[in-house]
Amino acid sequence: EAGVAQSPRYKIIEKRQSVAFWCNPISGHATLYWYQQILGQGPKLLIQFQNNGVVDDSQLPKDRFSAERLKGVDSTLKIQPAKLEDSAVYLCASSLAGGSGVYEQYFGPGTRLTVT
Amino acid sequence: GQNIDQPTEMTATEGAIVQINCTYQTSGFNGLFWYQQHAGEAPTFLSYNVLDGLEEKGRFSSFLSRSKGYSYLLLKELQMKDSASYLCAVRDRSGGYQKVTFGTGTKLQVIP
Repeated sequence: EAGVAQSPRYKIIEKRQSVAFWCNPISGHATLYWYQQILGQGPKLLIQFQNNGVVDDSQLPKDRFSAERLKGVDSTLKIQPAKLEDSAVYLCASSLAGGSGVYEQYFGPGTRLTVT
Repeated sequence: GQNIDQPTEMTATEGAIVQINCTYQTSGFNGLFWYQQHAGEAPTFLSYNVLDGLEEKGRFSSFLSRSKGYSYLLLKELQMKDSASYLCAVRDRSGGYQKVTFGTGTKLQVIP
């Protein structure tokens, strides 16, 4: 079974530039998550999709971050314009959805973003 | 919201046993996960508890007490490759959907 795919793996941009990340979840996983992980901290949820609908984007800085999940499969996360504090690893994860199962999350390798 | 607390760092000796604690506060508890994250890599799933008690999986065990808002991850026969961060994550469904919140992680260093 293929895992969660992400690209690019690394990105270096200057502040005020824009950047986009792509994620392809595990086939059949209805729930998709984007996390921001700053060095030394735990993953912080930015946005959670169930199929192609947003269920939680309460911690997404909507003035500069946007995300979409077209057709309930692939997803893109965009930052425009980037700030120095956006330097982090952006992790995509997916899981099955439902009521009472384990439904652990499977993570992609992440994109390490450096903003200079 | 949720409040998850775990120690920032721990050091243990190869071959020993280490216990990593996690305390949490949440209104709609629906499960607790432990993930392992090696430096520069993505988190990987270790264990899941939703009922009180101990779940054993090889060298790793996880315990949950829902009434105390407390869990621990127990690692036995420590190996050098166990040096990693261990993330406690709590699932909550008080908002009408399943939401998972991660703690800041405990960085474990195993020394010879």
